[in-house]
Amino acid sequence: TQLLEQSPQFLSIQEGENLTVYCNSSSVFSSLQWYRQEPGEGPVLLVTVVTGGEVKKLKRLTFQFGDARKDSSLHITAAQPGDTGLYLCAGANSGGSNYKLTFGKGTLLTVNP
Amino acid sequence: DADVTQTPRNRITKTGKRIMLECSQTKGHDRMYWYRQDPGLGLRLIYYSFDVKDINKGEISDGYSVSRQAQAKFSLSLESAIPNQTALYFCATSLAGGLSYNEQFFGPGTRLTVL
Repeated sequence: TQLLEQSPQFLSIQEGENLTVYCNSSSVFSSLQWYRQEPGEGPVLLVTVVTGGEVKKLKRLTFQFGDARKDSSLHITAAQPGDTGLYLCAGANSGGSNYKLTFGKGTLLTVNP
Repeated sequence: DADVTQTPRNRITKTGKRIMLECSQTKGHDRMYWYRQDPGLGLRLIYYSFDVKDINKGEISDGYSVSRQAQAKFSLSLESAIPNQTALYFCATSLAGGLSYNEQFFGPGTRLTVL
């Protein structure tokens, strides 16, 4: 069974601070996705990383896929209250089992004004 | 905008009742999924469907059934609801095909409470 461990589970910071959340596994994934979920809503896809070592930037958010494609990180610069939410990583497989995403349990981020 | 919608958004029911949750999408995606989300347990896959004639069990299908009425519609039923089925339920869709990374598009969720 593939597992994705996210850390920290909870994070509460002040506006303007930087933060990093991690997504780790002992398994290799063909791609890894990050979602953000706000209260009362479904998860929304932020980014997909595909190549080992890949770095993608989305405004103040920087996503990195590990060289071995087993881990990923999300770094937020100068966090804002609008960044508050549950951040989920999800790993996808290639080939016959590519229907399935393995989700981490999420990091609940609160950015205080 | 192409979208994924779920009805109802909230439902309170009693133990033993039959419940149906509905999902519709206008994204034109072939693949549809049902997940449940519980605090501390994350998102768990209940059922998935690759097309109208293809239904598959996920990791926690016991106590649930599904129907894919059309490409755009996928419903989840709880034949006899029990309290530990209290959860947030999400429908999701994704593209099929070689260029797809199975990126999923979620509906807004149904909060189900079984008393």
